[in-house]
Amino acid sequence: KAGVTQTPRYLIKTRGQQVTLSCSPISGHRSVSWYQQTPGQGLQFLFEYFSETQRNKGNFPGRFSGRQFSNSRSEMNVSTLELGDSALYLCASSLYRPGYTDTQYFGPGTRLTVL
Amino acid sequence: AQKITQTQPGMFVQEKEAVTLDCTYDTSDQSYGLFWYKQPSSGEMIFLIYQGSYDEQNATEGRYSLNFQKARKSANLVISASQLGDSAMYFCAMREGVTGGGNKLTFGTGTQLKVEL
Repeated sequence: KAGVTQTPRYLIKTRGQQVTLSCSPISGHRSVSWYQQTPGQGLQFLFEYFSETQRNKGNFPGRFSGRQFSNSRSEMNVSTLELGDSALYLCASSLYRPGYTDTQYFGPGTRLTVL
Repeated sequence: AQKITQTQPGMFVQEKEAVTLDCTYDTSDQSYGLFWYKQPSSGEMIFLIYQGSYDEQNATEGRYSLNFQKARKSANLVISASQLGDSAMYFCAMREGVTGGGNKLTFGTGTQLKVEL
């Protein structure tokens, strides 16, 4: 079974631009979560989508948004990029079974550099 | 709020030796799950092992075992027979509210493990 895929793997943008990152979950997984990893703040939860609905949201400004499609693929968008948005963005997918803790499996990440 | 603490920024171990990576957590929830992930320099997070708060036995997965001490709120990862390929950053993570919805993981700051010959 193919793992979580993320595109693009590397991205360079300038301040003020916007960017869209894509994530394809493991086949059959319906929950997709996004995390930001920086040297200063570590790993932080951005948001989670399930059945095309945002189910959880982390403490990030509204410039960070996402969506999920009917095939469970997800995109996240960052508008008006700032230097501090430079990070590794990780996507994770999992099954969703009420009452169970399903393991989240991560993709290889998208490394975003904002100049 | 939930919190994960990893007090060892870096650890060294000799090949074929065992090593313990520490993790303590803080939560008021009765139902939670604890995970360990490995992150090589390539960046991908690799799932290693999981322990549920109601699991009575310590979890094991091959060379990985989790020393779960609920009263002390600790969930240490033990790697037996270390290999050079185990050199990586290791993260402890927690998910609260197992019986509810949501998949938010809270991560610790990580421990950089270096396996030496």
